[in-house]
Amino acid sequence: GAVVSQHPSWVICKSGTSVKIECRSLDFQATTMFWYRQFPKQSLMLMATSNEGSKATYEQGVEKDKFLINHASLTLSTLTVTSAHPEDSSFYICSASGLRVNTEAFFGQGTRLTVV
Amino acid sequence: ELKVEQNPLFLSMQEGKNYTIYCNYSTTSDRLYWYRQDPGKSLESLFVLLSNGAVKQEGRLMASLDTKARLSTLHITAAVHDLSATYFCAVGGGSNYKLTFGKGTLLTVNP
Repeated sequence: GAVVSQHPSWVICKSGTSVKIECRSLDFQATTMFWYRQFPKQSLMLMATSNEGSKATYEQGVEKDKFLINHASLTLSTLTVTSAHPEDSSFYICSASGLRVNTEAFFGQGTRLTVV
Repeated sequence: ELKVEQNPLFLSMQEGKNYTIYCNYSTTSDRLYWYRQDPGKSLESLFVLLSNGAVKQEGRLMASLDTKARLSTLHITAAVHDLSATYFCAVGGGSNYKLTFGKGTLLTVNP
């Protein structure tokens, strides 16, 4: 399958600071990338969908000013958690789909964010 | 709104036994996925089911799809401890592979 790399794998930050998470498709062009959030022992919840060169589409209840998503190239999308608070602590997972991999989206390794 | 119901949510079974996890979804879809997640890890793709009647098998796991009943099953045969994990089904909608996930089934296989 196609490879999606997410970085960092884990990050600890102080309340009030911002954190950027990167999601890269290594061997295909990702026309669409998805960002999910997963709380402990729960399922994945879609936060937003981003298409290369366009503004992200956020799911209901997700604050677009707090979770900034940029998809400036066909291989990179970033999620920035602005002014992070302890309740933002979670596991964030990206996935990517593209024309070459046209039956499914492939998932990154996930990022464990802890806000202290 | 697409809803995906997975059951059971918790499954404890002994090695060597068989069991089935069920995934029901509420609206028509042409794609059904099964994933495995180990603690602290991301998702591992197990099966992609794209048509009615599709059946796929990998080792001790077999997945099937009935689009008319809006039902997919993940059957575990002769379970082993290494299968212990959380299993998610997810249903695709639209052309961009947006997924709606079930709540997951935490499978524990006891020696």
